Amino acid sequence: EAGVAQSPRYKIIEKRQSVAFWCNPISGHATLYWYQQILGQGPKLLIQFQNNGVVDDSQLPKDRFSAERLKGVDSTLKIQPAKLEDSAVYLCASSSGQWNTEAFFGQGTRLTVV
Amino acid sequence: AQRVTQPEKLLSVFKGAPVELKCNYSYSGSPELFWYVQYSRQRLQLLLRHISRESIKGFTADLNKGETSFHLKKPFAQEEDSAMYYCALATGTASKLTFGTGTRLQVTL
Repeated sequence: EAGVAQSPRYKIIEKRQSVAFWCNPISGHATLYWYQQILGQGPKLLIQFQNNGVVDDSQLPKDRFSAERLKGVDSTLKIQPAKLEDSAVYLCASSSGQWNTEAFFGQGTRLTVV
Repeated sequence: AQRVTQPEKLLSVFKGAPVELKCNYSYSGSPELFWYVQYSRQRLQLLLRHISRESIKGFTADLNKGETSFHLKKPFAQEEDSAMYYCALATGTASKLTFGTGTRLQVTL
């Protein structure tokens, strides 16, 4: 089966600019996650969708980050305006949504804010 | 709130030596625990989950609820085991996944 697709792979922007990341999960997967992974740290959950509804966004900095999953398939994560500390790899993952199932990860988008 | 702790950032062992990557968790409910691995230039992928009680690539992990641990073990390390290993905890019916900070395993000759 095709894996989780993310684009772009790399992005360099100046602080205060905006940026958007795109994720296409595995077909049929109800659950979609966005993680932020800062260098030297583990992935930190930003937001979790179940179909097109938000399950958890408690760690999403809502003053600058937003995410949507229209139609319960693809998702976009936006940062506006970006700060230097947003430099990280942004990982998208999906799972079937059933209890205790495996999450499949994309390659990630490496964001550098200068 | 749930929390996963991996105390070692780097673990360096010789080929053929035993490996133990430590993971402790904090969660008041019934935990579901996983080990994920990231090989160089590859995406993060599942290695094993505690509920399966299986051995993958020679690795095993036993959930110890008394010690709130889920350490990853392998009796004889191989060069191809060199990678970043993350312990993860799934909680709630929606399977929220919380990761530890990761341990880099370096297997040398």
